[in-house]
This record gives sequence, C-alpha cells and structure tokens, in this order.
Amino acid sequence: RKEVEQDPGPFNVPEGATVAFNCTYSNSASQSFFWYRQDCRKEPKLLMSVYSSGNEDGRFTAQLNRASQYISLLIRDSKLSDSATYLCVVIQTGANNLFFGTGTRLTVIP
Amino acid sequence: SAVISQKPSRDICQRGTSLTIQCQVDSQVTMMFWYRQQPGQSLTLIATANQGSEATYESGFVIDKFPISRPNLTFSTLTVSNMSPEDSSIYLCSVEGGISYEQYFGPGTRLTVT
Repeated sequence: RKEVEQDPGPFNVPEGATVAFNCTYSNSASQSFFWYRQDCRKEPKLLMSVYSSGNEDGRFTAQLNRASQYISLLIRDSKLSDSATYLCVVIQTGANNLFFGTGTRLTVIP
Repeated sequence: SAVISQKPSRDICQRGTSLTIQCQVDSQVTMMFWYRQQPGQSLTLIATANQGSEATYESGFVIDKFPISRPNLTFSTLTVSNMSPEDSSIYLCSVEGGISYEQYFGPGTRLTVT
C-alpha cells in the first residue's frame, strides 16, 4: 500500500467553480501534512501546511481528519492560474523526509 | 524560504557517462535532500545529505550509482553514474524550511540519457 494516495484526476472545472481534492495516508503516526503545487516542468512549491484545526488562506482551505487519515484541499472561485498539479505530502513522526502523493491534475477552463 | 539554485538546468547525456548536479542554497542548512521525479510520476527521495557525514540513501538507491558530496552547509552535489536511459528524469534538491519540516525545492535538473 502506498504511503499517500490521491485521485490523479484530471479535474477540469470552469472558472469560478469550487473544487475539492482528497488525499489519504496510511501511517497513523504521520505528523505533518502539506499541499504543494507543481506547475508543468517546474519544481513543487509549498501551497499550505495542513493543521489539525484546519486552515484557510484566501480561496484555499485545507482540512485534516486524523481519525479517517485523510487530508483535503478546497479551492473556491477557481482561477485559470490555479491550473496545476496539486501534491499531497505527509511527514511521518521522527522521519525527515516527505512522502508525496502522485498528484491531482487540475485544469481550470475559461 | 531559502533560495535554491541548481546546475545544470538540463542536459542530454550518452549512456555510460556520468553527470554531476550542483545545488547551492543562499543560507546555511543542516540537511539537504535529493529527489528524482520520473516522467508522469511523483517525487521519490534518493538520499539525505548532511554536512560532515555520509549521505543516507533510501531503499533502491546506492552510493556507487548516486554518489553525493556535502562539503559545506550551503552546497551539495549529486552524481548520476554510468547512466542508462532509465535514469532520464528530473533531479531536485531541497532543504528543510521550518519547524514543521516543510521543504523547499530547487528548480530541478532535467536529464535525458540517450
């Protein structure tokens, strides 16, 4: 079983739509959670950390459900510039490396 | 976040040869990481490089194939040795950013082996 699993998509949504991605992780001892964004032929860039209480940054909301071992990312009022691959990333307690999901491809259509 | 640069940004190499990739950070960092991202795949950690000690390799990666140097707290190199077409990939270095262990990535080196 993979450490981190994501629906690869693709998700094709119109501008202004709300879209949600989910990600599940296998190790209940996982400690830190992130969403990264990766544009085509570019490096991954940190989008936001995911806290137990949930957190919001503008149009982006991240949630963590430890009981069910999943993480979500909600994007409201989608923009064309949101088109990218979104990577779910998990760090296990005591580890110093990241486990990456395979990414979910989002395309926002005019 | 740290500013990270990598050289070269891309290269096309013949099988059997070796390529050394450089990673430079604008601040001192304890740990640097090397990842590989094969076409259409997510990132896979190759090794963790600490200054002053041998790199720690992940399962499936060995020092003879991917020797790493870490001469100081701002610089590291990864060598891809005796290359084959299966080594064609993007190679990325990263550094830890903060108390939550998030990492920041260099722009990557796109390697094509013919």
